[in-house]
Parts: sequence; structure tokens; C-alpha cells
Amino acid sequence: NAGVTQTPKFQVLKTGQSMTLQCAQDMNHEYMSWYRQDPGMGLRLIHYSVGAGITDQGEVPNGYNVSRSTTEDFPLRLLSAAPSQTSVYFCASSSGTGRDYSNQPQHFGDGTRLSIL
Amino acid sequence: ELKVEQNPLFLSMQEGKNYTIYCNYSTTSDRLYWYRQDPGKSLESLFVLLSNGAVKQEGRLMASLDTKARLSTLHITAAVHDLSATYFCAVGPPSGTYKYIFGTGTRLKVLA
Repeated sequence: NAGVTQTPKFQVLKTGQSMTLQCAQDMNHEYMSWYRQDPGMGLRLIHYSVGAGITDQGEVPNGYNVSRSTTEDFPLRLLSAAPSQTSVYFCASSSGTGRDYSNQPQHFGDGTRLSIL
Repeated sequence: ELKVEQNPLFLSMQEGKNYTIYCNYSTTSDRLYWYRQDPGKSLESLFVLLSNGAVKQEGRLMASLDTKARLSTLHITAAVHDLSATYFCAVGPPSGTYKYIFGTGTRLKVLA
């Protein structure tokens, strides 16, 4: 059982470049989310999705886009990378539907360490 | 705006000692989660607390939730070196939202 898989694990970009961080889960979870983790700031929610075709913004959505065409995949796109987006990015998912999903913990991927020069 | 505050932010303790990590939050929520993160690794779920007065225990860790005080605690009993990690609490989502909010984390170091 793979759980939540994130690719790539590491990436270095130049300012202004775009890229997509991939996230896939094989647990048929409806709820998926993206966080960024910066020193001393915990995890901050970027975007989330409650099912295929449904996405919404979190705390820090600027500079990022998401889409959810299937239950399994939830890619995060950086439109024009900036040094302030240097961070560790985590994708997570949880089971259940409606409000039931919050009765379960989130399952996290291993993270993508992104550096923008 | 929902805020989640953990304290202490850093904790260095001797093996065998007891200590408590506190998680205070600023809005009504009856769902509270504790996670553990080892350096350079992902987050691992420890506890899910779903109602006022909920208490859960696993090994040397015990978590509780007081929704009226908007406070959760993670109590460590007779600490061992293997408990060294960063511990996060997360609140959410408040009714009508789907957003979890994480605390800043408590970095725990247990000294032999």
C-alpha cells in the first residue's frame, strides 16, 4: 500500500520558472490538501480539495494553482517561482466524505524540498 | 482568524522525566489532532480527539481535549530518547469550513 506519493523529492528552480509538484494517493480518499512547511511557522494550508472537480483556497494560496481531475491525483503548480516559495511542501489526504473526513487523521506524503534561486 | 499556539516551542528534558505540551486555539472546534515529525521526515498521526473531554493514550504519550477552554495537552510520561521529535497539534475544521490549522510545533529533545 503506497499511501500518499509525492514527486519529485527535491527540486531546484530559478526565479520565474514554473513547475508542477505531483501528489497521488491510492486510498480512495476524497479530501486532499497541500501544505508548505517553513521553519518556525508550522504547516500552512495552500489549497485543498473535497473531491474530484472541487478545490478551494487555504491560508496561503497566492502563486499556486491546483486542479483535481481524478480522486487519486492532486497536483500543485507554481506559476512563476519566487525565492519566497522556497519551502518543504507536503501533500495529505484523509478518508470520509462531507464532515466525516475530519473524524480521521490526515495521511502525509514524504514531502518535496523546493529551493528557488 | 483561527490561531493555534503551542508551548513551549522548544523542550529539552532528561530521560525519565514528565512534561506537558500545550496547544491553545482561538475558535470553536471539537476536533484536535496530534502529529509527530522526525527530522527530515513526514508527519505521523498520533491522536485524533473528537469531543470535549476526550483522552487518548499510547505508550508514554497521553493527549486530552478541553473544548470549552480551547486547550489540548500532550503529556509525556517517563521520557525516553526515542520520543525526541517535533510535535504538532492541528485544529479543525471549524463548522462550515474544510481548513485545518496547525500549530508551530514543539521541538522535543530527550537527553540520556
